[in-house]
Amino acid sequence: GDSVTQMEGPVTLSEEAFLTINCTYTATGYPSLFWYVQYPGEGLQLLLKATKADDKGSNKGFEATYRKETTSFHLEKGSVQVSDSAVYFCARSGTYKYIFGTGTRLKVLA
Amino acid sequence: DAGITQSPRHKVTETGTPVTLRCHQTENHRYMYWYRQDPGHGLRLIHYSYGVKDTDKGEVSDGYSVSRSKTEDFLLTLESATSSQTSVYFCAISETRTSGRAYEQYFGPGTRLTVT
Repeated sequence: GDSVTQMEGPVTLSEEAFLTINCTYTATGYPSLFWYVQYPGEGLQLLLKATKADDKGSNKGFEATYRKETTSFHLEKGSVQVSDSAVYFCARSGTYKYIFGTGTRLKVLA
Repeated sequence: DAGITQSPRHKVTETGTPVTLRCHQTENHRYMYWYRQDPGHGLRLIHYSYGVKDTDKGEVSDGYSVSRSKTEDFLLTLESATSSQTSVYFCAISETRTSGRAYEQYFGPGTRLTVT
């Protein structure tokens, strides 16, 4: 079945470091791809999205490009802040449903 | 922020009792979902609805039932709660274009359920 695989965490970085969180997806159909962020005690919030190949989603300094040839949607940020500490989820759409990765916890140290 | 509320936000109940969680939306979105979130498992889909009175099972539907009598409300019922159903439950909504390309989901704040 459809699946999303993202890198295991936790990821610990110093402030202003470069961030990459890897995500790959199964390529059945023409999925939309998403990154969500979850802060402690809260629900998931949409961070960015891409709906077709080569689209780049971006928001709050985060970027991810829909790569059909490598079935990837890696999340990147050039300079992380302490406030970026959270859990990040990669997801793809299905017919009616959405498939989520298991989440990657990011901790940014001052 | 999308208008999604969940109630209650926290609940402690005893094994064997029935529990109903409510999700309410003000966005008039067609699709509604119930997930549970547990450490090491990420988000797992319990049930979803693609319209009033139209529901289907997700990957972890055993022990749960749902109902949707109005567009804005989606109820999740644990008929006889067990300790394995201790979890954080999230409701989500989405809309889908007629072409089938999926829109994003919007999530509620979650309900923390403890079954003792």
